[in-house]
Amino acid sequence: ETGVTQTPRHLVMGMTNKKSLKCEQHLGHNAMYWYKQSAKKPLELMFVYNFKEQTENNSVPSRFSPECPNSSHLFLHLHTLQPEDSALYLCASSQEPPGQVYEQYFGPGTRLTVT
Amino acid sequence: GQNIDQPTEMTATEGAIVQINCTYQTSGFNGLFWYQQHAGEAPTFLSYNVLDGLEEKGRFSSFLSRSKGYSYLLLKELQMKDSASYLCAVDDSNYQLIWGAGTKLIIKP
Repeated sequence: ETGVTQTPRHLVMGMTNKKSLKCEQHLGHNAMYWYKQSAKKPLELMFVYNFKEQTENNSVPSRFSPECPNSSHLFLHLHTLQPEDSALYLCASSQEPPGQVYEQYFGPGTRLTVT
Repeated sequence: GQNIDQPTEMTATEGAIVQINCTYQTSGFNGLFWYQQHAGEAPTFLSYNVLDGLEEKGRFSSFLSRSKGYSYLLLKELQMKDSASYLCAVDDSNYQLIWGAGTKLIIKP
């Protein structure tokens, strides 16, 4: 495997379900990100992890819970979602020196539909 | 507030040149990125500008004017495979990127 991988690619879940999205990066990067992409809207940054420590949480509802067990893996745990949470969820990684954002490498995304 | 503006959609002809504009208002500035995203695929990095001027990379060029809060992406010799969305993003010096909504570029034969 190379680059950034995400599983599953597609997910349909009910509002009472619990599911997890997985992201893995094979680039040796030290920062990983979760983004939400809705149609015709800007990418919304949800969470940032740098050296496994969460550095950003952009007022994301608690029904989204990130986990970063090591610098290569990132999870997004989902529970009691709402229909408006239906979107493409993108994972990205980058090699970040302190204080600067560098080129981010994206995974293919998980298309989530909440019914 | 933080704001990135770019046209929603543009149409161009195969073989022609197209310029996609991006204007920004951010609390800080530490560089501007352009990404390409084909339908159903991940965004991929195209260019990065931190100083004023034009950066050329093959058929694609990116320009930045920090005093005007303005950038453009110039695509030459358009090919059908250039049909995609083009995303403008600014590093606001706050450890994150501020993204535009993207410009969908449609190439016609």
